[in-house]
Amino acid sequence: DQQVKQNSPSLSVQEGRISILNCDYTNSMFDYFLWYKKYPAEGPTFLISISSIKDKNEDGRFTVFLNKSAKHLSLHIVPSQPGDSAVYFCAAPDNGAQKLVFGQGTRLTINP
Amino acid sequence: KAGVTQTPRYLIKTRGQQVTLSCSPISGHRSVSWYQQTPGQGLQFLFEYFSETQRNKGNFPGRFSGRQFSNSRSEMNVSTLELGDSALYLCASRPSQVPNTGELFFGEGSRLTVL
Repeated sequence: DQQVKQNSPSLSVQEGRISILNCDYTNSMFDYFLWYKKYPAEGPTFLISISSIKDKNEDGRFTVFLNKSAKHLSLHIVPSQPGDSAVYFCAAPDNGAQKLVFGQGTRLTINP
Repeated sequence: KAGVTQTPRYLIKTRGQQVTLSCSPISGHRSVSWYQQTPGQGLQFLFEYFSETQRNKGNFPGRFSGRQFSNSRSEMNVSTLELGDSALYLCASRPSQVPNTGELFFGEGSRLTVL
């Protein structure tokens, strides 16, 4: 069962513009949602998270929005920079199973 | 503070062989989990260890196994390798038994190719 879904395998954005990555989930019991960033030949690194009791969390150029009624979250990157080119995974901790449930990932490419 | 270390980084095996991958967590981290990454599938949970005990296992066949040692280092083993086992195997650690925000610290992974 795919509890966390990222329906866009890839996204291409002009440098300086806004990048918006989307994620949908089915399990309303998730307490937190996280975004991880992954470069080739490296492990994923934590980027930003949001508690299910909030609807927005901001950290510099990165903002995550949570819409619980739609079971949808999004990551906004503004302005986008070439170094942001990576694969982005959304994830949620399934605390009952002591694991993170990941989406399939979205490959973001920032064009100069 | 050293990060999560995985060895080997790359390896090539043939069908039917077995492989052992190693993971050293961040010092002080007692929870170690393993994930498999394949193209288009995201990261799939394999298992999680805490204090040498496997607390949960993902939906993988019994050919996939693991263990954790008293120093929190972990190994995973895949026996009777199949072509579909070709993947990036990622190890992650976290400091506490109780997950809070779910933040994990990942190693760089072991890239397994099965021919």
